[in-house]
Amino acid sequence: NAGVTQTPKFRILKIGQSMTLQCAQDMNHNYMYWYRQDPGMGLKLIYYSVGAGITDKGEVPNGYNVSRSTTEDFPLRLELAAPSQTSVYFCASSYDSNYEQYFGPGTRLTVT
Amino acid sequence: QQQVKQSPQSLIVQKGGISIINCAYENTAFDYFPWYQQFPGKGPALLIAIRPDVSEKKEGRFTISFNKSAKQFSLHIMDSQPGDSATYFCAATPNSGNTPLVFGKGTRLSVIA
Repeated sequence: NAGVTQTPKFRILKIGQSMTLQCAQDMNHNYMYWYRQDPGMGLKLIYYSVGAGITDKGEVPNGYNVSRSTTEDFPLRLELAAPSQTSVYFCASSYDSNYEQYFGPGTRLTVT
Repeated sequence: QQQVKQSPQSLIVQKGGISIINCAYENTAFDYFPWYQQFPGKGPALLIAIRPDVSEKKEGRFTISFNKSAKQFSLHIMDSQPGDSATYFCAATPNSGNTPLVFGKGTRLSVIA
């Protein structure tokens, strides 16, 4: 099992550009999550999904969009990138909401 | 009521000492309490978790103590080692429903020789 994979590992965006962060898991988990982690700070939930076709907002959803067309994939879309979106983005998955979350290696995004 | 309050923010412990990190919550529906460990440049990984049917769970040098009446739980790292230097996050969620984990803000632990 590859677990949770994320691409790209690093990305530099200019203000106003858009991009999609990819996340995939091969554990057949129903739940998937996107977090952001600013330097020296904790995890903030952006969006989560409890199954294909179902998504819900987390703590900090503004400026982001997600989709969940398959169980395996959960891409995060940034529209009109802003410097405030400079962060490390982690994708995670779990069998259920009260089971272990498996995290990906992260995507380090810089918006300048 | 959805918050999990974690303390201290940072902790320095001598090698061989005991590291103690505390978390408190308000939501009485919470009944799954995991701790995650994160090394620099890596994603968090589950370290140990407890459900409230027990007051303590031990895995090697790591122990969770759980006090349901006080709505508090803590992580104890015995014989702390430099390799334990990492950021630790507590979290909580109800056992039912689709509520994602609520994470504490994290504790940066440094174990010095």
